[in-house]
Amino acid sequence: EAQVTQNPRYLITVTGKKLTVTCSQNMNHEYMSWYRQDPGLGLRQIYYSMNVEVTDKGDVPEGYKVSRKEKRNFPLILESPSPNQTSLYFCASSSFDGTDTQYFGPGTRLTVL
Amino acid sequence: AQTVTQSQPEMSVQEAETVTLSCTYDTSESNYYLFWYKQPPSRQMILVIRQEAYKQQNATENRFSVNFQKAAKSFSLKISDSQLGDTAMYFCAFMRGTSYDKVIFGPGTSLSVIP
Repeated sequence: EAQVTQNPRYLITVTGKKLTVTCSQNMNHEYMSWYRQDPGLGLRQIYYSMNVEVTDKGDVPEGYKVSRKEKRNFPLILESPSPNQTSLYFCASSSFDGTDTQYFGPGTRLTVL
Repeated sequence: AQTVTQSQPEMSVQEAETVTLSCTYDTSESNYYLFWYKQPPSRQMILVIRQEAYKQQNATENRFSVNFQKAAKSFSLKISDSQLGDTAMYFCAFMRGTSYDKVIFGPGTSLSVIP
């Protein structure tokens, strides 16, 4: 089954404790992206990646890091989380085959105390 | 910078009726994609419909259709024969260029279908 998986689905942590949210896709997609969703703001893009070792900033990259060492994985790293990073996070992937459909993961609900 | 505006935070429609959700965007690009995504209570993001800016013809997908007005920078979504399963948040999104790049989402419209 074609899918994007994210782990963990729910996470409560404390300020300053480094964390990683994993994202993996099994569709051999080139493009992957991270979004955060906040009420009234829609989805805002954090980082995106066109392919392995190619990443670029979205609209809200501050406080986040990403890496793309393998095509299937695109982890999101919060080196020193703060309460304003409490949000719902989505990973997405798509191919460059012309269909342009982004497949989204199920979301990760992060709370930073 | 590109922006996407959805001026209707909440809407409701009677089952089997038709509803139109509004979206406007601001860009200086001539080539871009526009999307409508649906997010039901399960939180899963689902692509409803997409439109290439260079295409004059409005996209349709079953009960969903768009009214794309390029000059006015407007991209509304029409849902015909509304069903209870259409209850969801709907997001309009913009993507620049001919290949994947930064994607900008609007703030969303919460649609409730009333039995």
